[in-house]
Amino acid sequence: NAGVTQTPKFQVLKTGQSMTLQCAQDMNHNSMYWYRQDPGMGLRLIYYSASEGTTDKGEVPNGYNVSRLNKREFSLRLESAAPSQTSVYFCASSVTWGSREEQYFGPGTRLTVT
Amino acid sequence: GEDVEQSLFLSVREGDSSVINCTYTDSSSTYLYWYKQEPGAGLQLLTYIFSNMDMKQDQRLTVLLNKKDKHLSLRIADTQTGDSAIYFCAENNYGQNFVFGPGTRLSVLP
Repeated sequence: NAGVTQTPKFQVLKTGQSMTLQCAQDMNHNSMYWYRQDPGMGLRLIYYSASEGTTDKGEVPNGYNVSRLNKREFSLRLESAAPSQTSVYFCASSVTWGSREEQYFGPGTRLTVT
Repeated sequence: GEDVEQSLFLSVREGDSSVINCTYTDSSSTYLYWYKQEPGAGLQLLTYIFSNMDMKQDQRLTVLLNKKDKHLSLRIADTQTGDSAIYFCAENNYGQNFVFGPGTRLSVLP
């Protein structure tokens, strides 16, 4: 049981390049999330998927697209990377116990855009 | 919109107690959470408290909730070097997205 896995761990892109960040979970969770973490700003939600086949914008969706490929996998795509997208990206999945939601996080992808 | 605030840094000596504070704005929050992030890793859930509780204890961790002042704190007793990490406060209302604070970096000095 690996939990939430992310690839790659590190990536350096030049401005204008594209890439896809991969995320998978093996906990059979319905909901999955992409966050970015910047110093002093905590985690900001980029996109989320409440269930297979649905995706919704979060707080900071501009410059990103997502695909919920199946129940396990949720990918984040940067079509034309910009230096402002230099950040650490976390994928998470969640399970709900009654009215309480519990999120599980992957180890993160550290992205630098030059 | 909802907001969660935390001080960014805290230093304590090994063996002392640490108190990390958090304020939030959403009075309808159902649950409040503390997550821990160790260097190079993702966030791990430490503990949570239901909004109608005022205290929860779990081994060395004590969570205090003052719902009137919208103030949450995490006390770590007998702080160890392994407790050095970033601690995030988060609030969640059922069916809505989590809102995270900026994180408090705890440094434990020998």
